[in-house]
Amino acid sequence: EIVMTQSPATLSVSPGERATLSCRASHSISDNLAWYQQKPGQPPRLLIYDVSTRATGIPAGFSGSGSGTEFTLTISSLQSEDFAVYYCQQYNKWPQTFGQGTKVEIK
Amino acid sequence: EVQLVESGGGLVQPGGSLRLSCAASGFSLSTYGMNWVRQAPGKGLEWLSYLGSGSSTIHSADSVRGRFTISSDNAKNSLYLQMSSLRDEDTAVYYCARYSGYSGALDVWGQGTTVTVSS
Repeated sequence: EIVMTQSPATLSVSPGERATLSCRASHSISDNLAWYQQKPGQPPRLLIYDVSTRATGIPAGFSGSGSGTEFTLTISSLQSEDFAVYYCQQYNKWPQTFGQGTKVEIK
Repeated sequence: EVQLVESGGGLVQPGGSLRLSCAASGFSLSTYGMNWVRQAPGKGLEWLSYLGSGSSTIHSADSVRGRFTISSDNAKNSLYLQMSSLRDEDTAVYYCARYSGYSGALDVWGQGTTVTVSS
């Protein structure tokens, strides 16, 4: 099983600042990585797939990068609606696995 | 509008069984791979099971293999998760999610249904 490790567990950021979230895979997953945003009481929402492609309706302020085992989600300027938990997911190999999440909170 | 609506959750005793349903609308279930994902209270996401388009392929997590069975009814455009031998640790919100047609990401999610396993 491919283990996905996210860091940090919690990120405190002021509105308008940039946030950088990391995700590391225990084995190479090529470009088979997605990022999701989840707010309390809601299901996850797909943000990014194939490392860097924004899903439909996702603003340009969200960007993804990386390859192999190291990946990054960047939120260029945090808005109030961006404070949430973010998960990475690999779909390179079964079982699909998720990271444990990074909570982005207001500083 | 593309939508997934789960139902069937509830309170069940350890060792019991439950069947979850996921009704799809706005697209044909038979043309997409579908998944079940769960989230225990205060925890992260755990992928459980995948059913390929046309029910061609099934993959399951070790944690539920042999206890949970994924299936679909194309006539009802619905996905199911038959759960048996339930344990306390199966308590979670259960989501169905669509495998996108262009990658392995999960592009459409239902609102979830809550399963509580407790005596």
